[in-house]
Amino acid sequence: EVQVLESGGGLVQPGGSLRLSCAASGFSFTNYAINWVRQAPGKGLEWVSSISSSGRTYYAGSVEGRFTISRDISKATLHMEMNSLRAEDTAVYYCAKDLLTYSTGWYGASDIWGQGTIVTVSS
Amino acid sequence: ENVLTQSPGTLSLSPGERATLSCRASQSVSSNFLAWYQQKPGQAPRLLMYATSSRATGIPDRFSGSGSGTDFILTISRLEPEDFAVYYCQQYQRSPLTFGGGTRVEIK
Repeated sequence: EVQVLESGGGLVQPGGSLRLSCAASGFSFTNYAINWVRQAPGKGLEWVSSISSSGRTYYAGSVEGRFTISRDISKATLHMEMNSLRAEDTAVYYCAKDLLTYSTGWYGASDIWGQGTIVTVSS
Repeated sequence: ENVLTQSPGTLSLSPGERATLSCRASQSVSSNFLAWYQQKPGQAPRLLMYATSSRATGIPDRFSGSGSGTDFILTISRLEPEDFAVYYCQQYQRSPLTFGGGTRVEIK
């Protein structure tokens, strides 16, 4: 079964750091991009970052320079390092698999989503 | 950034009725790169449609998508009880990927 599973959320003080993980099963990161999408409490969906099947990374302007995606293909695990966290980063963070294997390595629509991990930035 | 505006914000309908949800983009979107998601409380989003009119795996045919350029529509032909949820459109033609603000379909 194709699945993704997030972990690593928690409570962190403003300015602090947190590392989220996304474990994949049933598919390989070398074939499908991964997208991170977050949802602040009571709000809509917001794209955060993506890593293509070739390893190229993409970031929303609001997190550029603060968040970094990396992956360990052998462990089928992806990480998102989040630094200089702000109150507005408080959200449920979803890891989601790209729908298609695409020519550019990144399609952008997601068919398999994790259950989400909660990040709370507060003093 | 391509801003997506969804309307109405809330749609109050009865089971069996037809739902028409709108998504308007601030910049033209290729019909190959427009998706719709459904989200229920406490759950992750679920992909319904991609490339404007292609249904994702397991999505019933009462869901259909149409549109081009800056105007896109999701239609639910006859609402079932499980269809009452929030719906989001998304463009994935260009980075940053963007989502609309959502339309809540509620039971009248």
